[in-house]
Amino acid sequence: GQSLEQPSEVTAVEGAIVQINCTYQTSGFYGLSWYQQHDGGAPTFLSYNALDGLEETGRFSSFLSRSDSYGYLLLQELQMKDSASYFCAVRGADTGGFKTIFGAGTRLFVKA
Amino acid sequence: EAGVVQSPRYKIIEKKQPVAFWCNPISGHNTLYWYLQNLGQGPELLIRYENEEAVDDSQLPKDRFSAERLKGVDSTLKIQPAELGDSAVYLCASSLDSFRAENNEQFFGPGTRLTVL
Repeated sequence: GQSLEQPSEVTAVEGAIVQINCTYQTSGFYGLSWYQQHDGGAPTFLSYNALDGLEETGRFSSFLSRSDSYGYLLLQELQMKDSASYFCAVRGADTGGFKTIFGAGTRLFVKA
Repeated sequence: EAGVVQSPRYKIIEKKQPVAFWCNPISGHNTLYWYLQNLGQGPELLIRYENEEAVDDSQLPKDRFSAERLKGVDSTLKIQPAELGDSAVYLCASSLDSFRAENNEQFFGPGTRLTVL
């Protein structure tokens, strides 16, 4: 089966850096994605890591360690608009193709 | 380019009534997903289609839920009869296809918020 763990809430100050961790268990791992969801909105894709290392996209970076079954999302220069829920999602092999399972999400509160 | 379209955005019904949700994915996307999202939780897959074929419906409560994607484009999810515990947001998403190992970015619609009274 597949499972993910991430913290339920994180609070940080505007302008700061925050890291949201995600550990996963899956068979046939292919990659780890991150999605952002504002209250009442749709999840939107942020990043995907298939190989070990850090991927940077603007203020957001995502890291993966396949050997540790661990990844994190790093948000720099936090802005109030970054207050949202962040989901990690693991992509693994399945009989019907590839399957993506979402974590329960981490709610980020950015304070002024 | 239009994103994933869902309707209705909100639906309030009484328990035991039927309800249906509609989704039109992004043009050219072969894979369509229906998710259920409870408050404070991540999306949970109900069913995944590759074109018109349901390739993963293992989490769909088939006693009351049904779905179809007859022409491999838009899709309908139905609940009959609805129960109080079905109150949630129903999200539709699409992607190019799910048979590639590389990034399979999913594009989500705005969802339908269902309230069962």
